[in-house]
Amino acid sequence: EAQVTQNPRYLITVTGKKLTVTCSQNMNHEYMSWYRQDPGLGLRQIYYSMNVEVTDKGDVPEGYKVSRKEKRNFPLILESPSPNQTSLYFCASRRQGAQTSYTFGSGTRLTVV
Amino acid sequence: DQQVKQNSPSLSVQEGRISILNCDYTNSMFDYFLWYKKYPAEGPTFLISISSIKDKNEDGRFTVFLNKSAKHLSLHIVPSQPGDSAVYFCAARSGTYKYIFGTGTRLKVLA
Repeated sequence: EAQVTQNPRYLITVTGKKLTVTCSQNMNHEYMSWYRQDPGLGLRQIYYSMNVEVTDKGDVPEGYKVSRKEKRNFPLILESPSPNQTSLYFCASRRQGAQTSYTFGSGTRLTVV
Repeated sequence: DQQVKQNSPSLSVQEGRISILNCDYTNSMFDYFLWYKKYPAEGPTFLISISSIKDKNEDGRFTVFLNKSAKHLSLHIVPSQPGDSAVYFCAARSGTYKYIFGTGTRLKVLA
């Protein structure tokens, strides 16, 4: 089944404790992206990647890092999480092309206390 | 500054009637628009899209209309069904890589 898999689904952590949210896709998509969803703000892009070793900042990249060492994986790293990073996170992928749609993972609900 | 706006946070419609969800954008350079549906505890799923060279695209019960002069996009669902109850996001493509999403509209279809 074609899908984007994120782990974990739920995570509660403490301020300052580094964490990684994993994302993997099995569709051989070139593009991958991380979004966060917050009430009243919709989905905002954190980082995106156009292919292996090629990444760029989205609209809200502060406090996040990403890497794209393999085509299928695109982990999101929070080096020193803070409470304002409490949010619902989605990883998404799409194939290269002008008019393609993102396939989203099921989400990771992160709480930073 | 929100470049893609969905001004109605919620909408209730009777089963069988038409649901109309609206979306406004500010950047005339956007060239591709999409609608996504999101159920609780799931990721958004792609519903329908439209290129800026068209003004209408239809897929079964779902039709998207694009009015470029007004910078306005709408999604029509006819007839509405209880299973359509979800949050709907519109999105616009900015450049090659960025998709900008709106804030979402929660649709409730009443049986």
